[in-house]
Amino acid sequence: SQQGEEDPQALSIQEGENATMNCSYKTSINNLQWYRQNSGRGLVHLILIRSNEREKHSGRLRVTLDTSKKSSSLLITASRAADTASYFCATDGGFKTIFGAGTRLFVKA
Amino acid sequence: DAGVTQSPTHLIKTRGQQVTLRCSPKSGHDTVSWYQQALGQGPQFIFQYYEEEERQRGNFPDRFSGHQFPNYSSELNVNALLLGDSALYLCASSFGRVVEKLFFGSGTQLSVL
Repeated sequence: SQQGEEDPQALSIQEGENATMNCSYKTSINNLQWYRQNSGRGLVHLILIRSNEREKHSGRLRVTLDTSKKSSSLLITASRAADTASYFCATDGGFKTIFGAGTRLFVKA
Repeated sequence: DAGVTQSPTHLIKTRGQQVTLRCSPKSGHDTVSWYQQALGQGPQFIFQYYEEEERQRGNFPDRFSGHQFPNYSSELNVNALLLGDSALYLCASSFGRVVEKLFFGSGTQLSVL
């Protein structure tokens, strides 16, 4: 079963535009993470935000967390063609990390 | 500093066969988690090994089993393969009792014919 649900499922934008992906989850969490996956390869950890944090930045990434709405968003600013990938939110479930179905981002050059 | 390595990268099997996938964790990591990822889906948790014990298991049948060795490397075994077992199998390593940031290998693409 999946804890997180990403929205939209797919997103196509022009290079230089901002990309926003949303994630909703069902149960209380200690932290929420975002991962990136290129072309069916391994996932790469992007950022972790804890349940007592509301916003976090890392380079061109901005993550927000609203625990009252059980939702998070990932903003990629000034997107590049190299940002084309699938993005997954992930929540903690005991010892395991639970992934959503992902948002497929396509950035056109 | 080697990252997470998985072998083989690709594998083709027929229904009913058995398969073993291998994973070496990132240097310094002691926890290994295995995931199954079907095409177009998110990774599904199979199980996690810590201190050579299966610490948590996902919703997968007993045909899926694993092992962790004293050097922290791990194997995933799948018996009586079904067509639906065709997927990308990902190994992820982390350090310590509390699992937060996962480091993934490039995966093993298993095709069952």
